[in-house]
Amino acid sequence: EPEVTQTPSHQVTQMGQEVILRCVPISNHLYFYWYRQILGQKVEFLVSFYNNEISEKSEIFDDQFSVERPDGSNFTLKIRSTKLEDSAMYFCASTPAGTRTNEKLFFGSGTQLSVL
Amino acid sequence: DQQVKQNSPSLSVQEGRISILNCDYTNSMFDYFLWYKKYPAEGPTFLISISSIKDKNEDGRFTVFLNKSAKHLSLHIVPSQPGDSAVYFCAASYSGNTPLVFGKGTRLSVIA
Repeated sequence: EPEVTQTPSHQVTQMGQEVILRCVPISNHLYFYWYRQILGQKVEFLVSFYNNEISEKSEIFDDQFSVERPDGSNFTLKIRSTKLEDSAMYFCASTPAGTRTNEKLFFGSGTQLSVL
Repeated sequence: DQQVKQNSPSLSVQEGRISILNCDYTNSMFDYFLWYKKYPAEGPTFLISISSIKDKNEDGRFTVFLNKSAKHLSLHIVPSQPGDSAVYFCAASYSGNTPLVFGKGTRLSVIA
């Protein structure tokens, strides 16, 4: 069964450093998302991406964050200068074309980001 | 601002009994509700959904009930199995391709 793949599974970085989290969405999906979950808190929406541009973003997704689809398969989340409060599990998700984009997201297994 | 609330962080149930997970929401604009299940070291996986035009949706052992007047939904698992032990997230959205809003999750433990 096709799945969303995220790498790395764990990322440790120093405060102020840049990190890039990588995702390979399911191949025939056209809508891509990043969500995150700080330990003990709810899963929070960061950004949605369609047709090579951001379609929606939350207040969390400030100028320190960016997303990119550098080729036909990868979808990346970059945090330019990490802060302690960026420590969280980051989930990539995708949905196929032809569905309501908020239906039935397919999630990756996540990248645990730890900012020291 | 918790638009979707799961007030029980954990729940323990005997194998074979019914598990009932509850979820409340505050935004009356929500018209689509989903439950996701998450095992450790995995991402959430879709379990079942319900549109606001319905009050019940059933899929095998899983049934979701929606009470719009109370802004409440619940997930029933009957019979519960040890493999159902996971964190269950309630999520909601409204028309227009808005992002899902999740609750904090409820950890279900099914005891053999």
